[in-house]
Amino acid sequence: QSVLTQPPSVSGAPGQRVTISCTGSSSNIGAGYDVHWYQQLPGTAPKLLIYGNSNRPSGVPDRFSGSKSGTSVSLAITGLQADDEADYYCQSYDSSLSGWVFGGGTKLTVL
Amino acid sequence: QVQLQESGPGLVKPSETLSLTCTVSGGSISSYYWSWIRQPPGKGLEWIGHIYYSGSTNYNPSLKSRVTISVDTSKNQFSLKLSSVTAADTAVYYCARFEKYSCSARNCQYYMDVWGKGTTVTVSS
Repeated sequence: QSVLTQPPSVSGAPGQRVTISCTGSSSNIGAGYDVHWYQQLPGTAPKLLIYGNSNRPSGVPDRFSGSKSGTSVSLAITGLQADDEADYYCQSYDSSLSGWVFGGGTKLTVL
Repeated sequence: QVQLQESGPGLVKPSETLSLTCTVSGGSISSYYWSWIRQPPGKGLEWIGHIYYSGSTNYNPSLKSRVTISVDTSKNQFSLKLSSVTAADTAVYYCARFEKYSCSARNCQYYMDVWGKGTTVTVSS
């Protein structure tokens, strides 16, 4: 059981908008620790997608965006494309566990 | 641009020590933090620990008693040793650069911005 909770799966049709939530607690997101998002395409290493809750590294399309509210953060993907199909992980720091933690991951299926 | 490459045995016997090395190319290992992450088959990601180029370390408390991460700046490499392995340690092991991007009076914030391709380690007799 991850301390950061993500839905196991989400889906959407090409062109649509989907969101993936990452819910934490007062020892991680609620304590002010930033959340980062990683995209893992099938059979490949994770890739940094969003850092510091809402910042995109250079090269990441602006179709990907992040937001934070209280003890939850969300990743939004607009204009869904077939090659967005991947696993998405959130990551933060947890002061109770004294370590960096990942969410359980969300599998995005493009219908 | 910086690239990372993991190397080491793909098969380790139960109770033995898993040893992996990550070679940093295209940039210096100095002035950065470097981490190890693993992913069991069909499961999610787990942070194992990280090391600063100066040698200071931070380990996942759940693995701390078995983990040692070290750095060799002369070779631009850092390494992972995990002792007393069991089948539960079977995973893809990734190395990554652990970038510090902001600090407050209370803490600093980090993200993993460059990843290696990963190496599969199977624990089996």
